[in-house]
Amino acid sequence: NAGVTQTPKFQVLKTGQSMTLQCAQDMNHEYMSWYRQDPGMGLRLIHYSVGAGITDQGEVPNGYNVSRSTTEDFPLRLLSAAPSQTSVYFCASRSHNTEAFFGQGTRLTVV
Amino acid sequence: AQKVTQAQTEISVVEKEDVTLDCVYETRDTTYYLFWYKQPPSGELVFLIRRNSFDEQNEISGRYSWNFQKSTSSFNFTITASQVVDSAVYFCALSEVTYSGAGSYQLTFGKGTKLSVIP
Repeated sequence: NAGVTQTPKFQVLKTGQSMTLQCAQDMNHEYMSWYRQDPGMGLRLIHYSVGAGITDQGEVPNGYNVSRSTTEDFPLRLLSAAPSQTSVYFCASRSHNTEAFFGQGTRLTVV
Repeated sequence: AQKVTQAQTEISVVEKEDVTLDCVYETRDTTYYLFWYKQPPSGELVFLIRRNSFDEQNEISGRYSWNFQKSTSSFNFTITASQVVDSAVYFCALSEVTYSGAGSYQLTFGKGTKLSVIP
């Protein structure tokens, strides 16, 4: 019962570095998303996908890239990390008639 | 555009008190899903309930109950006889039911209500 597996759990980056947050789900869900959580802001949608090969921008996409080559995987890439990207990141997956299942979160600090 | 408002930023109650967390939403969709999630201090998001907009019956699950009122666009959450383990941030969220293009099926979250239950 893996559900949504998100790695790493913690990461510290220097400004300008790049990295990829990994997300995988084993429930054959069509829909996957990345959110960031900042104090007092709730969860804000970064990018989402409605199926393999199809991605789109959410509310706060700048500085992030995504791709969806398989149903299972939806990695989030930070191209050139900035202190404003310090946040907690959550990956989620769902089908059209289920709740969203979330990964454990990644706490990212950019110094 | 969809919007979820949780006007209560923080609430403190003494253990065994009842507490209600408010959620008001805006959507142009005629059918939609409403959700509540709990985020304990450990940080994970725990699913509590999903409600379809055409099912207006209130729901009770143990000490938890939800009051859905379509007429006022509200989906409030009540914890009866609160316990210290209920201390968490609670999020209300909204999504579409049917595919309508960009953004479909993505959850729109409120900013959350931090509940502290004092022993």
